[in-house]
Parts: sequence; structure tokens; C-alpha cells
Amino acid sequence: ELKVEQNPLFLSMQEGKNYTIYCNYSTTSDRLYWYRQDPGKSLESLFVLLSNGAVKQEGRLMASLDTKARLSTLHITAAVHDLSATYFCAVDPSWGGSEKLVFGKGTKLTVNP
Amino acid sequence: DTGVSQDPRHKITKRGQNVTFRCDPISEHNRLYWYRQTLGQGPEFLTYFQNEAQLEKSRLLSDRFSAERPKGSFSTLEIQRTEQGDSAMYLCASSSRTGANYEQYFGPGTRLTVT
Repeated sequence: ELKVEQNPLFLSMQEGKNYTIYCNYSTTSDRLYWYRQDPGKSLESLFVLLSNGAVKQEGRLMASLDTKARLSTLHITAAVHDLSATYFCAVDPSWGGSEKLVFGKGTKLTVNP
Repeated sequence: DTGVSQDPRHKITKRGQNVTFRCDPISEHNRLYWYRQTLGQGPEFLTYFQNEAQLEKSRLLSDRFSAERPKGSFSTLEIQRTEQGDSAMYLCASSSRTGANYEQYFGPGTRLTVT
């Protein structure tokens, strides 16, 4: 059974600082997604990573995928308050005919002034 | 393209009542997924459809839960004899699964509270 682990689960950081969120998964996959969720809201797609070595950047966020290590990272550069949210990684196993996404528990990010 | 829509957005019901939620996917998407998210957790897969066929169901989907997609367009998720443990956000997503991008696009969710 595919397991997805994120760490840290809670992250409090100051504006202007850098930090990385890690997403490890237990079985082979080359499709990984990052989503953002604001309180009481649905999931907003941030990044789609479809191959080993994929790197995507949008503003202060950069995501990467290492399929051999079964690891994705979400790097935050010079954090600002507007980035406060919960971030989920989700893995698409795409084997055995399954199409479900398996999500991590999320990283709740709080950016303090 | 207006995205995935869900109705209602909020539902409060008493334990033992039946509830039904509706999801309208992005029009050209043939795949439709249901997930459940409880407080402080990531979404958990419930079931998915390819067109009108229900192809996979999670063990989370007890016999009190039933989902349909009768014409391969909108879908309904019904929960019978609701329990307090059913309180959660129910998320619907759709995808086309063409090319290399199998991204699932999520709707706004239906928040269910069972009292």
C-alpha cells in the first residue's frame, strides 16, 4: 500500500526566511502533485511533477521530484504572510489500474511578520 | 469552463438522516473522483468513475455510502443513516487523463456536519 509522508507537519517561520517541506512516498511513481489549501477551502493546484528531476517554480515556491529517492521537496524562498496555508503533496501511483491520489497529512505553514 | 462545482456547500443533518451531494465535473472530463477530508488530515480517496462506470471503491466506502454517475456527467454521493463520524469535507475532482498529465481538479467541497 502506498504511503505518503510529509514533514514537518507544522511549520512556523518568519517573513523573509527560507525553508523546505519534504514529501516521501513508499512505492514507485513518477507523478506527484502539490496543492495548497486555505482554511475551510478546497485544494488549489500548485505544481504538477511528471518525471524524475522535474523542477517547477512559481513565485517564491519551487518544487522538485526525485523518483529514485521517492522524494519531492517544496522550497519556500523569502516567505511572506500570504503563503500561510496548508500544503499537501499527493502521489498518483498509476499502477494496478488505480487512479486514486494518495495524500500526505499536510504541512501547516504559518508565516509571521 | 467553470471548473468543478459541488452542491450543497454546507449541510447540517441529524444523526440517522440520509444526505445526498452532487458534483458537476469539468465538461470534457470523463473521470470523476470523490474524496473525504476530516479535520487536520489529507483527503482520502472514496471512489471514482470513468464515464458512468464506477471502477474503484475504497474500503472507506461502507455500505451506507453509494455513488452514481448515471449519464457519465454529474455524480451523486449518498450517505444513508448518517453517523457523527461522517462529519467531514467531501471533495469531488475530475480529470481527463489524456497525454501525460493526469491532474485532478478539485471542486469547492461539501462540508457535512452530523449532529
